[in-house]
Parts: sequence; C-alpha cells; structure tokens
Amino acid sequence: GENVEQHPSTLSVQEGDSAVIKCTYSDSASNYFPWYKQELGKGPQLIIDIRSNVGEKKDQRIAVTLNKTAKHFSLHITETQPEDSAVYFCAASSYSSASKIIFGSGTRLSIRP
Amino acid sequence: DADVTQTPRNRITKTGKRIMLECSQTKGHDRMYWYRQDPGLGLRLIYYSFDVKDINKGEISDGYSVSRQAQAKFSLSLESAIPNQTALYFCATSAGTGVPEQYFGPGTRLTVT
Repeated sequence: GENVEQHPSTLSVQEGDSAVIKCTYSDSASNYFPWYKQELGKGPQLIIDIRSNVGEKKDQRIAVTLNKTAKHFSLHITETQPEDSAVYFCAASSYSSASKIIFGSGTRLSIRP
Repeated sequence: DADVTQTPRNRITKTGKRIMLECSQTKGHDRMYWYRQDPGLGLRLIYYSFDVKDINKGEISDGYSVSRQAQAKFSLSLESAIPNQTALYFCATSAGTGVPEQYFGPGTRLTVT
C-alpha cells in the first residue's frame, strides 16, 4: 500500500523567511496530493492540493510542487507570518483507492518573531 | 457554524469500559471517515463509510466498531477500551467520487486510564 514520508518533523524559521516541507510517496498510482494545516486544539484544515496532471500550484503565499518521476512533492510558504505556526501534514491518495488518504507524520512549523 | 461536529470533545474513561464517539455533518456529504492521531504518526484511518449501507475497515480497525445511523451521522465505538487507545480521534467527510477533498471535525481527545 501507499506510504508517505515527510521531512522535517520540526522546522523553525524567522518571520518573513520561507519554509519548505518535503514529502515522498511510494505508490505510483497516487494522483491527488493535499496539504493540511492543524492549529492547536483544532482539526486538520485543507490549505492546498495538487493533482498529478500539474507540476505546480500557487495560492497567495503558499505553493506546492510535484515531481511524479521522483515521487516527491513539497509545500513552500513564503513571507512567513506568526499565524503560519502550526503542524502541517502532507498526504497522498488515488481515485482508485476510493478516497482513502494516506498522511505523512507531520511537520511542526514555528515562526520566530 | 461548524460543518463537522464531534462529541464529546474530551473524554476520560477506564480500561474495559465501552465508549462511543459521535460525529455529525451538515455538508451533505456521502462519505465519512474516522481517523486516529498519535504524536509523530500522523493520522491513520480506522473506518470509512461511503453511504449508510457501506462500511469499510481502514488500516487500524482492530478494537473499534462503527455505525452509520444516517447520511449525516457516523459513530465510533471502543468495545472495551485499553490504554493504548489513548489518542486524538477525528471524523472527516468528503463528497464522493472524483471529489477527494476531506473536511475534518475538531477532534475528540480520549484518555483511557
């Protein structure tokens, strides 16, 4: 079955700098890659996703890139702000797996003032 | 108002007790999921349901059971709670085929002593 690895487990960046979180997946059939943000005491919230027919997607300060050949995908956050502090999860799924999403282990991002 | 609600939000119970966690949604989604979150392990799928008559095991279903009482309600039961079931539990929903985005509830923190 699918396995998703996520690095780093913790990340601390200066406010205003960029943050990058990387994930790899094992199942070449995976074609949907969401990213979730989890704030303290809350459930995960979908912040951006990418499908396998595109290589990059942007939404304001957040971007996701996908390299299907290498089975890598990454989350990029630019101009980080204090409210970006949270745990971020990458995930992978394929339509053939009937919407079952496999999550990475999470990255705790801290923004230093 | 929250689209996906979970009750209770916190629960402490003793080993051997039966406990039920409840999830309700107002998103009109057909698909519902139960996940467990442990530190450093991300979210793992316990059970999922594509409609009232369809229940499927996830990767860690042992020791758990579920009931889909209606399209909007999906309950998770621990028949005889044990300490290693101490975790955060999340319910999620998705719309259906071709629409894989999942939306999470706020979670239930369960402690088994």
